[in-house]
Amino acid sequence: DGGITQSPKYLFRKEGQNVTLSCEQNLNHDAMYWYRQDPGQGLRLIYYSQIVNDFQKGDIAEGYSVSREKKESFPLTVTSAQKNPTAFYLCASSIGRDSTYEQYFGPGTRLTVT
Amino acid sequence: GQSLEQPSEVTAVEGAIVQINCTYQTSGFYGLSWYQQHDGGAPTFLSYNGLDGLEETGRFSSFLSRSDSYGYLLLQELQMKDSASYFCAVRDQRNQGGKLIFGQGTELSVKP
Repeated sequence: DGGITQSPKYLFRKEGQNVTLSCEQNLNHDAMYWYRQDPGQGLRLIYYSQIVNDFQKGDIAEGYSVSREKKESFPLTVTSAQKNPTAFYLCASSIGRDSTYEQYFGPGTRLTVT
Repeated sequence: GQSLEQPSEVTAVEGAIVQINCTYQTSGFYGLSWYQQHDGGAPTFLSYNGLDGLEETGRFSSFLSRSDSYGYLLLQELQMKDSASYFCAVRDQRNQGGKLIFGQGTELSVKP
């Protein structure tokens, strides 16, 4: 079955530590996205990538970093510079730039930093 | 600036029809998407309107009026499983890259 996997489902970290969230897709999609969702809120775009070895900042990129070395993988690192990292993180993909209106989402990672 | 407005909560009874409105203010516009998200789950794509008019997919329909910067999602024959949050999302034509701007979401509660 094709889809997007994110691991782990729940992640706990101490303040001051960097943490990397995994996102893998086997849909053969070119574009991938990272969103952050806070309770009762919409999705806010952190970073996105339309092609391997290229990515752009979204609306809330400060304190985050990404890489796109392989088409299938788009890991997100939450650095210690992120002021309020506790949130639900969602990874998504779309066929390509022109299909951004239809995104497929992974199950998400709920990150808690204390 | 860019903004999307949708009601925060809507309540309806099983078997009824409900309409969730979305108004947007963006510098450019490619189309309006709708997503459903059950509590704690992943958003799933429901529909897309690139042109004015009504798009129907089973019990769900979506409408767009570009001249009014307005769209809505219509859910018919409501079922308990339709209780979820619904998000409208716009692709802003101004941007070079392909990305969506999401509204804050409407929480739909379906009562027996």
